[in-house]
Amino acid sequence: DGGITQSPKYLFRKEGQNVTLSCEQNLNHDAMYWYRQDPGQGLRLIYYSQIVNDFQKGDIAEGYSVSREKKESFPLTVTSAQKNPTAFYLCASSTPGQGTYQPQHFGDGTRLSIL
Amino acid sequence: AQSVTQLDSHVSVSEGTPVLLRCNYSSSYSPSLFWYVQHPNKGLQLLLKYTSAATLVKGINGFEAEFKKSETSFHLTKPSAHMSDAAEYFCVVSSTGGFKTIFGAGTRLFVKA
Repeated sequence: DGGITQSPKYLFRKEGQNVTLSCEQNLNHDAMYWYRQDPGQGLRLIYYSQIVNDFQKGDIAEGYSVSREKKESFPLTVTSAQKNPTAFYLCASSTPGQGTYQPQHFGDGTRLSIL
Repeated sequence: AQSVTQLDSHVSVSEGTPVLLRCNYSSSYSPSLFWYVQHPNKGLQLLLKYTSAATLVKGINGFEAEFKKSETSFHLTKPSAHMSDAAEYFCVVSSTGGFKTIFGAGTRLFVKA
């Protein structure tokens, strides 16, 4: 079955540490996204990538970094510069299609907490 | 500019009664509109989408939504709630004017036995 796999499901970060969240898709989608979800809020876009080797900042990119070396993979690194990293992180993908008509497909998320 | 407002943060219904989750949107371009459902500690699952075809859109699990341009609304309905419908629901707007998708803040649906 095609889908998006996020790992790990739970992650703990120590002070001053960088951590990397994995996102892999086998849907053959060109576009991939990272969102942050906080309680009582909608999803906020961190980074997105429309094609391999290219990515753009979203609304809350500070303290995060990404890479897109392969079509299937879009890892997110939460750096020590992100002072409030505790949140639920969601990865998504879509086919560009006509503009942005295409719905996004989501993974099951990674919950990041500070030790 | 685009925006989306979900008018209720929480909705509580009894099992077997109708569900209405309200969403208003604003978009400078012809919008695509979506409803997603999220169960605890899970990703979002697409319920239905509107992309300028029929204004009444049918989705999965008995949900449907009606696009009303004059009211800039896209409310989600279901005739009869089931316990398994208890979850958080997100209204989403996207447009061809730019690569931008906006998520509403979500409506948590509670279903009482």
